[in-house]
Amino acid sequence: KNEVEQSPQNLTAQEGEFITINCSYSVGISALHWLQQHPGGGIVSLFMLSSGKKKHGRLIATINIQEKHSSLHITASHPRDSAVYICAVERRADKLIFGTGTRLQVFP
Amino acid sequence: GAGVSQSPSNKVTEKGKDVELRCDPISGHTALYWYRQSLGQGLEFLIYFQGNSAPDKSGLPSDRFSAERTGGSVSTLTIQRTQQEDSAVYLCASSLTGWSNQPQHFGDGTRLSIL
Repeated sequence: KNEVEQSPQNLTAQEGEFITINCSYSVGISALHWLQQHPGGGIVSLFMLSSGKKKHGRLIATINIQEKHSSLHITASHPRDSAVYICAVERRADKLIFGTGTRLQVFP
Repeated sequence: GAGVSQSPSNKVTEKGKDVELRCDPISGHTALYWYRQSLGQGLEFLIYFQGNSAPDKSGLPSDRFSAERTGGSVSTLTIQRTQQEDSAVYLCASSLTGWSNQPQHFGDGTRLSIL
């Protein structure tokens, strides 16, 4: 069993829909990262959080340490949000363990 | 430059050859990481540097892989006697101090193809 599990693996949505991507992990962590990888391959760090909730524009990330679960929400989704979203957990000294990613396609 | 720079962006080589991949981290970042992403696979940790030292080499897949970092800046990842299974995108990232809760900044990667 992977230490970091994401769901769903693939997600399609119509423009404007509210989107949720889930991440569960089975190990103790010091922080959790949400990353975005566009079709060209470049990776952008979206959020890094160890408790509670963070918001940046239309993106919201939450984490529940007791339940070992995090969610990434996208409000008012747009075709430019189409990308692979990757959850990664940090166990020690910034070594990241990655989930397999969620491929999101938003259609106009 | 302002971001993490990797070179070459693409490398095609024959099986059995050695390859060297380069990473220029963001200036002032003490921590540097190498990852790889095989086709259709998730990201995999390879090695982490704090300054010029690599306290964690656990991710290197075999003794054909080695990495060094000099002057606390540029790092090179070397793969000797390349095999077809080494084909992947090799990504470098850096962070400011290497302590937890520091965001990692990624380069665009080197796409390595072994013929």
